[in-house]
Amino acid sequence: SQKIEQNSEALNIQEGKTATLTCNYTNYSPAYLQWYRQDPGRGPVFLLLIRENEKEKRKERLKVTFDTTLKQSLFHITASQPADSATYLCALPDSGGYQKVTFGTGTKLQVIP
Amino acid sequence: DAMVIQNPRYQVTQFGKPVTLSCSQTLNHNVMYWYQQKSSQAPKLLFHYYDKDFNNEADTPDNFQSRRPNTSFCFLDIRSPGLGDAAMYLCATSRYPTGGGNQPQHFGDGTRLSIL
Repeated sequence: SQKIEQNSEALNIQEGKTATLTCNYTNYSPAYLQWYRQDPGRGPVFLLLIRENEKEKRKERLKVTFDTTLKQSLFHITASQPADSATYLCALPDSGGYQKVTFGTGTKLQVIP
Repeated sequence: DAMVIQNPRYQVTQFGKPVTLSCSQTLNHNVMYWYQQKSSQAPKLLFHYYDKDFNNEADTPDNFQSRRPNTSFCFLDIRSPGLGDAAMYLCATSRYPTGGGNQPQHFGDGTRLSIL
């Protein structure tokens, strides 16, 4: 079955630096990949979607890459701010049905002023 | 603003006492989902609806049931809550996927369920 791995350890970075989060997957060739942000006690909020034929996608300070050979997506936040502190989840379409996605456990990002 | 609203935000129930969580949406999306999320874990899909077509995940306990009386509302019923059911319950919606399925999901802020 498909497996998604995100670094379970929290990532602490200094304000102004670029944060890079990783999403690895196995046993699967997804047509797309999504990234969400989740704040404590809140529901996830959709950020970006990247398709398998796209190498890179940008939205303001966010950049996502998708390497289907490495089976990996990288999520970058440039010029990070304390307000970017949250848990970031990647999600891949579920092999059991295209209406569904499977989420990773997320990586907690802490931006230190 | 169009949104997904979950009520209540916090729910406390007693062990074995039935509880219902509700979700409403103003997005007019035809797909609705219920997830269970425990601390530091990924959201785990329990059910989803495409319109009134109900889809149960294979590992969703029989203790959990759902109703969707119309497009806007969806309910999660837990018939006999156990201590292991304490979690955040998230409702989400999406448009019916097109082009191979790539629609984002829109989440409510969840109901945190505690079991005494």
